[in-house]
Amino acid sequence: GAVVSQHPSRVICKSGTSVKIECRSLDFQATTMFWYRQFPKQSLMLMATSNEGSKATYEQGVEKDKFLINHASLTLSTLTVTSAHPEDSSFYICSARAVGGETDTQYFGPGTRLTVL
Amino acid sequence: AQSVTQLDSQVPVFEEAPVELRCNYSSSVSVYLFWYVQYPNQGLQLLLKYLSGSTLVKGINGFEAEFNKSQTSFHLRKPSVHISDTAEYFCAVSTSGGYNKLIFGAGTRLAVHP
Repeated sequence: GAVVSQHPSRVICKSGTSVKIECRSLDFQATTMFWYRQFPKQSLMLMATSNEGSKATYEQGVEKDKFLINHASLTLSTLTVTSAHPEDSSFYICSARAVGGETDTQYFGPGTRLTVL
Repeated sequence: AQSVTQLDSQVPVFEEAPVELRCNYSSSVSVYLFWYVQYPNQGLQLLLKYLSGSTLVKGINGFEAEFNKSQTSFHLRKPSVHISDTAEYFCAVSTSGGYNKLIFGAGTRLAVHP
């Protein structure tokens, strides 16, 4: 149980284009999903918290107009990197917190490697 | 605010040897503590967690950790490591109750050698 998927696993795009990353909880409902960014050989940095049916909460220093988050259902959150630039290249990881049961545990997706040329 | 310090950025060890990965945290309120493992180009997998109760927590793959409130530590141990344990290990903390934002340590690279 507690499986989280991400799609795509890898994406390469040209500078200036937008990229959408999906995060799905496959066998549980998640009122809250989190988006992290991880640079090579570094830890995870929380970008934003996505709550189903409401606006995302962004961490300090994260541009909300550049990283659009939508949490339209209890099993799906999307992160759209708008007008991507090479400095946006990174490993993006989502996590989901279950409704009921182990609500204090986050389950992580496998990550999406974004490369902006 | 909470913070997590992983004292060792890299830990080399020989196969079948014991290992301890150190984690200390700072918080003015009660916390939940977690250890996650990350294999190359993958997401994080939960190894174990401490929410309350017994301070010795057993997790998957033979790992265990002990919560020490007086020393604000949550060190991860395994009595005998395998090559397959080579990975990045992250300690994380969140506040108990309500909105639970995870704060991660910088990670410890465990390298198991034959």
